[in-house]
Amino acid sequence: SAVISQKPSRDICQRGTSLTIQCQVDSQVTMMFWYRQQPGQSLTLIATANQGSEATYESGFVIDKFPISRPNLTFSTLTVSNMSPEDSSIYLCSGRTGGKNEQFFGPGTRLTVL
Amino acid sequence: GQNIDQPTEMTATEGAIVQINCTYQTSGFNGLFWYQQHAGEAPTFLSYNVLDGLEEKGRFSSFLSRSKGYSYLLLKELQMKDSASYLCAVRDYGGSQGNLIFGKGTKLSVKP
Repeated sequence: SAVISQKPSRDICQRGTSLTIQCQVDSQVTMMFWYRQQPGQSLTLIATANQGSEATYESGFVIDKFPISRPNLTFSTLTVSNMSPEDSSIYLCSGRTGGKNEQFFGPGTRLTVL
Repeated sequence: GQNIDQPTEMTATEGAIVQINCTYQTSGFNGLFWYQQHAGEAPTFLSYNVLDGLEEKGRFSSFLSRSKGYSYLLLKELQMKDSASYLCAVRDYGGSQGNLIFGKGTKLSVKP
């Protein structure tokens, strides 16, 4: 299976600022996703990152708040914009190769907003 | 609506067997997944079921009944390192591009 790395692994940010999280996969993947995992909660899908086009957002998530880029098949970024304490969470990047069932995850970025 | 239920916490003894149940109600179904997640780490893939029945992989087995919307993960010969959260997830093709919908996870504590 592919290995996913994320940067930063954690950060503490001030309210009103923005943070961009990078996700790098060591091999080409068909689909990339961004999830959020709040304390004690399940993983919630934010959006599917589409190569060369706009991401597909799930209900409750919008592009202005969570802009996503995916310039190629191995890299994506998620920006958390105009942060508030409610955005404090773990953000996970995930990838899947077409025709294969396994979906693998990065180690996550632990974000704390003060 | 989408709903995946699993127990919040379980405790078991080293060397024993534990069964973690998961029930689901989703608008579509294209497979059920189990993941293991140690604290502070990424979820790691354990198993995938799309047809009814039992899939065995070493000490771990996973069962699926699509008619009942039910699955379980069976862990045998428990080891201390099995202490982790176990996440049940359903791939739902109900207009959502085959995304994974996760339950809240079951935190398993293995005691000596």
